Amino acid sequence: DNQMTQSPSTLSASIGDRVTITCRASQSISTWLAWYQQKPGKAPKLLISKASNLESGVPSRFSGSGSGTEFTLTISSLQPDDFATYYCQQYNSGPYTFGQGTKLEIK
Amino acid sequence: QVQLQQWGAGLLKPSETLSLTCAVYGGSFSTYYWTWIRQSPGKGLEWIGEINQSGNTNYNPSLKSRLTISVDTSKTQFSLKLTSVTAADTAVYYCARGRRFDPWGQGTLVVVSS
Repeated sequence: DNQMTQSPSTLSASIGDRVTITCRASQSISTWLAWYQQKPGKAPKLLISKASNLESGVPSRFSGSGSGTEFTLTISSLQPDDFATYYCQQYNSGPYTFGQGTKLEIK
Repeated sequence: QVQLQQWGAGLLKPSETLSLTCAVYGGSFSTYYWTWIRQSPGKGLEWIGEINQSGNTNYNPSLKSRLTISVDTSKTQFSLKLTSVTAADTAVYYCARGRRFDPWGQGTLVVVSS
């Protein structure tokens, strides 16, 4: 299986901060990477696909980059609604795998 | 606007069979693979498997021996059966569309306990 490793596991930040979450794949996945946001008691929500394509309706403060084995999700200016858990997921080859998550907390 | 609605039993005893169904409303059913995912505190998010309208399936090897995913194109529904469940199968189970999963069903908490 292609193991996905996110860092950090927890991130404390303030409103207005710029934050970056990193996701590393154990094998190259080109740009077949998605990012999700999950809030307690809810299903994950797709934010970004193909490493950098912002999904419709997702605020432009979210951006993704990377290819191969290293990827980043950046939030340019944190808003109250952004405090949640974020997951990366590779869909280059099955079994499709997720990172362990990054919990974004209010400082 | 595609919507997924799922249902099934939420409390099972060890060795029983987990059965869930997901109905797809709106959009194209034929274009995509349809997926089951589960989430547990211990293992995080885990892809279970997928099926397309032709009935072609791909399963997670870790579950393959116990898993069946089926499709009913006339009802635009797909289903999950997982046999011989144990406490390790306790999780929230989700259905979703595609391989970059969007949208998701609302989730079903399945608890395996004697």
